[in-house]
Amino acid sequence: DAMVIQNPRYQVTQFGKPVTLSCSQTLNHNVMYWYQQKSSQAPKLLFHYYDKDFNNEADTPDNFQSRRPNTSFCFLDIRSPGLGDAAMYLCATSRGTPLSVYEQYFGPGTRLTVT
Amino acid sequence: KNEVEQSPQNLTAQEGEFITINCSYSVGISALHWLQQHPGGGIVSLFMLSSGKKKHGRLIATINIQEKHSSLHITASHPRDSAVYICAVRDDKIIFGKGTRLHILP
Repeated sequence: DAMVIQNPRYQVTQFGKPVTLSCSQTLNHNVMYWYQQKSSQAPKLLFHYYDKDFNNEADTPDNFQSRRPNTSFCFLDIRSPGLGDAAMYLCATSRGTPLSVYEQYFGPGTRLTVT
Repeated sequence: KNEVEQSPQNLTAQEGEFITINCSYSVGISALHWLQQHPGGGIVSLFMLSSGKKKHGRLIATINIQEKHSSLHITASHPRDSAVYICAVRDDKIIFGKGTRLHILP
């Protein structure tokens, strides 16, 4: 089945130690999103790619970076995780262009713990 | 900026009951999503609406563009429907409501 895959499902890192979360998709969607969701809160968009075009949200900290080496894969890099970065990180994909609206498909998420 | 309000925040019901979850928003949108999030975090997209009504199995979603309001209905609710239901609207970006936590008792 076509799907959105996130690895790992659970990640533990130490304060200040860089960590990378990965997302892959078999849907061949051109748009990929990264969301951060803290406990009992709504998901918050960090950034997204339209094809190779990177779009950063204004309030996304510089500590968060992303890479998209090809259509199928997208990575979230946290350069120096702080305790406040502990959260669920959700990847989503959709078809689309900046002016069109298509349904988003979510991965299962990676729960990040910072010790 | 669009404000998305969901009600109720928490809902507990008996198995078999008809469930309604409401979503209202403040500014015109191009589409509205209903999402389901189970414990453990994974999000499933249930519906995307821009007008009218959609039905999938026991789930029905409606939207009234003029009133800026959408409802998600669950007929013959079941304990496996227990989850957080999230409304999200799209104008130039997607904005999420805080979710409704539904608990269906057997």
